[in-house]
Amino acid sequence: DAGVIQSPRHEVTEMGQEVTLRCKPISGHNSLFWYRQTMMRGLELLIYFNNNVPIDDSGMPEDRFSAKMPNASFSTLKIQPSEPRDSAVYFCASTLGLGGEQYFGPGTRLTVT
Amino acid sequence: SQQGEEDPQALSIQEGENATMNCSYKTSINNLQWYRQNSGRGLVHLILIRSNEREKHSGRLRVTLDTSKKSSSLLITASRAADTASYFCATDEGTSGSRLTFGEGTQLTVNP
Repeated sequence: DAGVIQSPRHEVTEMGQEVTLRCKPISGHNSLFWYRQTMMRGLELLIYFNNNVPIDDSGMPEDRFSAKMPNASFSTLKIQPSEPRDSAVYFCASTLGLGGEQYFGPGTRLTVT
Repeated sequence: SQQGEEDPQALSIQEGENATMNCSYKTSINNLQWYRQNSGRGLVHLILIRSNEREKHSGRLRVTLDTSKKSSSLLITASRAADTASYFCATDEGTSGSRLTFGEGTQLTVNP
């Protein structure tokens, strides 16, 4: 199994631009999570899906952030417009069912200048 | 907000020594998990302990859970330089059973 795949691995963009992060979960997993990691706030859960349905988006910082999961093998996290304070490493993780161990992707390092 | 709080924030030991990291949390949990993160990488799951378990082993790892004190510890025995990483505890507290809340982590450095 290839594990959780994220793209791009690095993204540098200018303030105001739209950023789209992509995630392919492990085949067969039905829960998908988006996290953000910064030095100041640590690892924060942004949103998670179960069977492609958003279950909890209370961690999404504001309306500039949106996430979709159109099918079981693909999810996107979009930031529009991006701001310098969005600079962070964004992780996607997946799991089978609820409550078990989560498998993390390698992350996307986002820098907004 | 972060529920799990790891202690210490940083730990430096010599190869061969044991490393103990502690985690405290505030609310009732379904399970508690420990993850490792090497610099610049994603988190890797190490071990999961359920709320009705008190101790669990996996190779050189030993995890304890004290629900009365709302605390857990991770012991790495006979440490190796390759164990150098950040270690996070994560609690699963929700009724949905999927939302994990991560602590701030302990940075472990194992000197050769």
